[in-house]
Parts: sequence; structure tokens; C-alpha cells
Amino acid sequence: KAGVTQTPRYLIKTRGQQVTLSCSPISGHRSVSWYQQTPGQGLQFLFEYFSETQRNKGNFPGRFSGRQFSNSRSEMNVSTLELGDSALYLCASSLEQAVRDEQYFGPGTRLTVT
Amino acid sequence: AQKVTQAQTEISVVEKEDVTLDCVYETRDTTYYLFWYKQPPSGELVFLIRRNSFDEQNEISGRYSWNFQKSTSSFNFTITASQVVDSAVYFCALSEAYTGRRALTFGSGTRLQVQP
Repeated sequence: KAGVTQTPRYLIKTRGQQVTLSCSPISGHRSVSWYQQTPGQGLQFLFEYFSETQRNKGNFPGRFSGRQFSNSRSEMNVSTLELGDSALYLCASSLEQAVRDEQYFGPGTRLTVT
Repeated sequence: AQKVTQAQTEISVVEKEDVTLDCVYETRDTTYYLFWYKQPPSGELVFLIRRNSFDEQNEISGRYSWNFQKSTSSFNFTITASQVVDSAVYFCALSEAYTGRRALTFGSGTRLQVQP
């Protein structure tokens, strides 16, 4: 079974631009979560989607948004990019929404904002 | 609020040595789940183990073993006879059942370097 895939793997953007990252979960998985990883803040939860609805949201500004499609694929969008948005963005999928469900991570998208 | 502490920032060992990675957590919930993930240089987080708060049995999987102690709020990870391929950053994480928040709270990670 194919793992979680994320596209693109690398991205360079300029401050003020916007960016869209894509995540395809493991086949059959219905929940998708997004995390941001930076050297300073570590791994932080952004949001989670299940059945096309945002179920949980982390402590990030409104510039960070996401959505999930009927096939469980998810996208996250960051508008008005800032230098501090440079990070590895990780997507994780799980079968359902139970707290006990393991989350399986993709390889991440490394975003560099210049 | 929940918190996970991995006090060891970096550990360096020589191949075949045993190494223990420490994880201490804080939570007000009585039902919670603890996880360990491995992050190799490629960046992908690899799931290693899940443990729920009601199961304090230690677990062994090959060279890996985990020691969960609620009394000390610790969930330590031991690699026996380490190998170069074990070199990675290891993260301990927590999720709480009561609040329904599946969001994982991660520790800051421990970088393990296994020298040949």
C-alpha cells in the first residue's frame, strides 16, 4: 500500500506570496493532519481534517488554511508568506478520527521563504 | 496543558552500545496515548510504537524496547546493540482522549548518532 505522498517536496517562495501544498493520504485513510516543523519551535500541529471538515486547529494565524476533498486528499494554503513560515510541512493520515489511531507521516514539503 | 519533555538533545554512541532515550510527559487527562516516532535524514516521521495510559506493560520489538511508568510520567525508549542505521532524530509524542484532541504534542526530539 502506498504511503502518504506530499507535493511538491521543495518550494521556494518570496515574502508576500502565497503557497498551496498538497497531501494524498494512505488509501482508505479518512483523517489528514498537518504539522509544521522548524528548528526553533519544533513540531507543531496546524489542523486536522476528517470527512472534508476541519476538526481541530492549532495556534496559527488565519493566514494558514486548509481543506479536504471528498477523496480525502488535502491541501493547505499559506497566504502573505513571511520569512518565519520557512519550515518543513508534514502531512499525516490515519484511518479514522480516534485518538488512539496511529498517524502516518509523509516525507514533507520543505518551504523556503526569501 | 499537555507537555512532552525530551531532555537529551543529542546522544552519540558507538555501534553495538545500548542507548536509552528519555521522555517525560505532563497531562491532566487520565486517558491518553503516547507515541514514539523516528525521523531519519530524509525527513519522514516513521511510527514506532503507541502505548495507551492503561497499559503499563513494557514492550519489546527486536532491538527496541519501551518502558512506560505512569508513576514517574515517563515513557523511555531503549535501543539494544545500536547500529549505524539507527542514527536519526527520535520524537516522543502525546495525544489526549478526554478532549478529543488528536493533535500530537511532540517533544523537542533527541538526535541519536551511532558511530561505526
